[in-house]
Amino acid sequence: DAGVIQSPRHEVTEMGQEVTLRCKPISGHNSLFWYRQTMMRGLELLIYFNNNVPIDDSGMPEDRFSAKMPNASFSTLKIQPSEPRDSAVYFCASTFDRGLYEQYFGPGTRLTVT
Amino acid sequence: KNEVEQSPQNLTAQEGEFITINCSYSVGISALHWLQQHPGGGIVSLFMLSSGKKKHGRLIATINIQEKHSSLHITASHPRDSAVYICAVRPARSYNTDKLIFGTGTRLQVFP
Repeated sequence: DAGVIQSPRHEVTEMGQEVTLRCKPISGHNSLFWYRQTMMRGLELLIYFNNNVPIDDSGMPEDRFSAKMPNASFSTLKIQPSEPRDSAVYFCASTFDRGLYEQYFGPGTRLTVT
Repeated sequence: KNEVEQSPQNLTAQEGEFITINCSYSVGISALHWLQQHPGGGIVSLFMLSSGKKKHGRLIATINIQEKHSSLHITASHPRDSAVYICAVRPARSYNTDKLIFGTGTRLQVFP
């Protein structure tokens, strides 16, 4: 298996633009997580899905952030409009069945909003 | 106070030294993870444990549920072990959540 795949790996955009981050989990995994990592706050959970259903989105910063998982093999995290404070590395991770197994992380998307 | 505390925050060692990184948490948990993040940024899960001890190569992770404490040990450290090591716990307060709470990480540098 190729592992968790994220795209793009790097994104530079201007404030106010829409940004879409993509994630393909490991085949067979049914839980998917979106994390954000910054120097100030470390790793934070934004949202996670189980069987394509959002279970906990309490970490989503505000309405500018939205996430979808239309099927078991694809998820998106969208920021609209983007702001400089959204600059961070965004990780996607997947696991099987309610976190009783290890989480496998994607390589991350480094987002810079100017 | 953070629910997950790691110590030390930074650690420097000479190649071959035995290294210990500590993690203390204040919530009941169902599992604890140790993660490794290399300078390139990728995150790798090293261990997930809920009791006792696990070993993988030169890495050993232990957990004491009663004391709410876990340690990650590296034997015969090597420069390639240089990374940030992150402790994360899965709270037991709700069995319907997979949410992990992360420590702030321990930055390890091993010099030849």
